[in-house]
Amino acid sequence: DGGITQSPKYLFRKEGQNVTLSCEQNLNHDAMYWYRQDPGQGLRLIYYSQIVNDFQKGDIAEGYSVSREKKESFPLTVTSAQKNPTAFYLCASSTRALTEAFFGQGTRLTVV
Amino acid sequence: AQSVTQPDIHITVSEGASLELRCNYSYGATPYLFWYVQSPGQGLQLLLKYFSGDTLVQGIKGFEAEFKRSQSSFNLRKPSVHWSDAAEYFCAGAFSGNTPLVFGKGTRLSVIA
Repeated sequence: DGGITQSPKYLFRKEGQNVTLSCEQNLNHDAMYWYRQDPGQGLRLIYYSQIVNDFQKGDIAEGYSVSREKKESFPLTVTSAQKNPTAFYLCASSTRALTEAFFGQGTRLTVV
Repeated sequence: AQSVTQPDIHITVSEGASLELRCNYSYGATPYLFWYVQSPGQGLQLLLKYFSGDTLVQGIKGFEAEFKRSQSSFNLRKPSVHWSDAAEYFCAGAFSGNTPLVFGKGTRLSVIA
């Protein structure tokens, strides 16, 4: 089945450690996105990529990094510079801009 | 600036009652508009979308939405709510160029017996 797979579903890390969240899609979509979700804040854009080997910062990129070496993969690294990393992270993809995005099931990251 | 606003943070309706969730956008032209639903701990599922044409859009799960240019609104409706509709609902807009979707902050729907 086509879709977006995020792994793991739950992730626990100690403060000060970097952690990488995985996002893979087999929809042959060009564009991929990372959003952060906190209660009452809606979805906030972290990074997005419209094409392989290119990506742009979103509204809250500080403390995060991404790569887009393959069309189907868009991993997100939460670095120790992110002040408050505990959140629900959602990956999405779309055929192009100005179309609907399809979402993965999310990764809940807890930093202790 | 381009934005999407959902004025209601939380709405409670009785099972079988009608539902309307509000969404307003700020943009100089007509954006592409979407409604998504999210169950707790899950990703977002697309309910319906508006690109152009007929201003009344039908979606999945019995939902519909009406685009009103004069009010810059795209409200979601359902004639009879079921307990399984309890979830968080997000309105989103695609405004221009290659910019990603912009989301409202969401409306949490509770359904009571």
